[in-house]
Amino acid sequence: DIVMTQTPLSSPVTLGQSASISCRSSQSLVHNDGNTYLSWLQQRPGQPPRLLIYKISNRFSGVPDRFSGSGAGTDFTLKISGVEAEDVGVYYCMQATPFPHRIIFGGGTKVEIK
Amino acid sequence: QVQLVQSGAEVKKPGASVKVSCKASGYSFTNYLMYWVRQAPGQGLEWMGMINPSGGSTNYAQKFQGRITVTRDTSTNTVYMELSSLRSEDTAIYYCTRTTGMDYWGQGTLVTVSS
Repeated sequence: DIVMTQTPLSSPVTLGQSASISCRSSQSLVHNDGNTYLSWLQQRPGQPPRLLIYKISNRFSGVPDRFSGSGAGTDFTLKISGVEAEDVGVYYCMQATPFPHRIIFGGGTKVEIK
Repeated sequence: QVQLVQSGAEVKKPGASVKVSCKASGYSFTNYLMYWVRQAPGQGLEWMGMINPSGGSTNYAQKFQGRITVTRDTSTNTVYMELSSLRSEDTAIYYCTRTTGMDYWGQGTLVTVSS
């Protein structure tokens, strides 16, 4: 089974500074159709998760451009450029493919303000 | 706009079953898969199962096979998730979320299992 490992577990950040979160997969996430279905979710305290990034680097509707995704194969990164107070929460990477059906979440990274 | 509205919190005794609903609006219901994900207190996200609202076909995570049933009602654009033989470890917030990409989420339903 594929395992998704996120680092760090916690990331204290000064307002206005950048934060980077790593997600490493135990196997390549390149799908048979050529796409890499790696997404990033944000979960603010007391809220449901929210989709930020899909297929490695595509921002979902309404997501500020300070959020960016990059990577390939087994190594992926979410970067928050200029952290704002509303960015506090837990971030999850996720691999989700319909065929063959597979949904795997990373363990989460907590972003907090120093 | 896309909305997924879930049913309210539940308290159940061990061994009982719970059925959570998720009413969709703002899009063509049968065109998008619907998933169920849960989150135990202070823990991460766990995929449970999914349904294709068009034909009703389902796919469940191995961990929940035999205990979970996901159904849909196309007349009301509602998806249901029933979990049986509840135990304390099933205490969690249960979310419905649209498509494999999980682009929209319900507000969550807290299910508490306690004697």
